[in-house]
Amino acid sequence: NAGVTQTPKFRVLKTGQSMTLLCAQDMNHEYMYWYRQDPGMGLRLIHYSVGEGTTAKGEVPDGYNVSRLKKQNFLLGLESAAPSQTSVYFCASIQDSASGELFFGEGSRLTVL
Amino acid sequence: QQQVKQSPQSLIVQKGGISIINCAYENTAFDYFPWYQQFPGKGPALLIAIRPDVSEKKEGRFTISFNKSAKQFSLHIMDSQPGDSATYFCAARLNEKLTFGTGTRLTIIP
Repeated sequence: NAGVTQTPKFRVLKTGQSMTLLCAQDMNHEYMYWYRQDPGMGLRLIHYSVGEGTTAKGEVPDGYNVSRLKKQNFLLGLESAAPSQTSVYFCASIQDSASGELFFGEGSRLTVL
Repeated sequence: QQQVKQSPQSLIVQKGGISIINCAYENTAFDYFPWYQQFPGKGPALLIAIRPDVSEKKEGRFTISFNKSAKQFSLHIMDSQPGDSATYFCAARLNEKLTFGTGTRLTIIP
């Protein structure tokens, strides 16, 4: 089982460039999330989706956009990358809000120069 | 505003010892408290979880202790092993969102 797959795994951008991170899950989960992980700050929620066609802001949404056009995919976009967006990004999914386990991908390491 | 505070930031324990990581939360509406384990280069994975109507949950060498009145919960790892060396995150759930602590890097030394 693939579970949650993130692409790309590594990317280096220059300030001002744009890019999209793709998250795909094969567990038919309703809810999907994007987190960023920074040293000493834990995992912070960027945006999330509670179903196909829906998105909502998390704790640190500024500078990011998301789309959930298909149930199995959740895209995270950076329109104009900034050095402050250098981080490791994790996608996660869960069946619904009553479910216990959040399943994570292996992360995408983004460096903005 | 940090709703889940985790300590310590790092912890070194001898093999066979007990590792203890603590978390405190502010929002009494949280209804589910999981702990996640993360190895380098990997995503976090659920280790053990507890609901607020239970004071303790044990799974093998891992135990969660939950103190609802103090709004605190902790992870105890008994007989700690080198393979337990990882980063541990506590979390708390409200509706569809999980709020994570800042993480504890645990190192088990021989």
